Amino acid sequence: NAGVTQTPKFRVLKTGQSMTLLCAQDMNHEYMYWYRQDPGMGLRLIHYSVGEGTTAKGEVPDGYNVSRLKKQNFLLGLESAAPSQTSVYFCASSIPGQGKKITEAFFGQGTRLTVV
Amino acid sequence: TQLLEQSPQFLSIQEGENLTVYCNSSSVFSSLQWYRQEPGEGPVLLVTVVTGGEVKKLKRLTFQFGDARKDSSLHITAAQPGDTGLYLCAGAGLLFGNEKLTFGTGTRLTIIP
Repeated sequence: NAGVTQTPKFRVLKTGQSMTLLCAQDMNHEYMYWYRQDPGMGLRLIHYSVGEGTTAKGEVPDGYNVSRLKKQNFLLGLESAAPSQTSVYFCASSIPGQGKKITEAFFGQGTRLTVV
Repeated sequence: TQLLEQSPQFLSIQEGENLTVYCNSSSVFSSLQWYRQEPGEGPVLLVTVVTGGEVKKLKRLTFQFGDARKDSSLHITAAQPGDTGLYLCAGAGLLFGNEKLTFGTGTRLTIIP
């Protein structure tokens, strides 16, 4: 049971470089999310998607882009990395419950990104 | 500005003691979840509460949702080293949208054997 898989697990970027983080889920979940986790700030939502082909901004979307071309995949892109984007990134997925409300969120193991 | 504040931020206690951590907001949520996160892993759901005043128990853990659905607490009885981890509350609904979670700042709990 793979669940939610994130690649890569670790990455070091130089300022100005670009990269894409891949999230794949095998649970046929409609909803997918990208969060970043920084010390003392919990998890902050970057972007999310409620279905294939749809995306929306979260709390901290600046400097990031996303795409959901296939239901099982959710990609997070950094076009020009900055040191402020050094963080641990988590992908999650969920299914809608009553009233399209989020139910349990299943998380990947995270990607530790350092921008130097 | 963090919408969900958790306290304390850090808590270190001896095995066998009881503890309570809090999750507070000025906003109302339609549901609230508690997650536990261990080092190098993603958060894992412990419980979901949806009704004001609701109390749920999970072995030695007791979760309560405030009557006004703005706050929640997690009480652990007779803490054990296996309870060590980062505890996160997360709210959904109403002002912030039913389809996503707003996470709290987290409480890092350490149980000393």
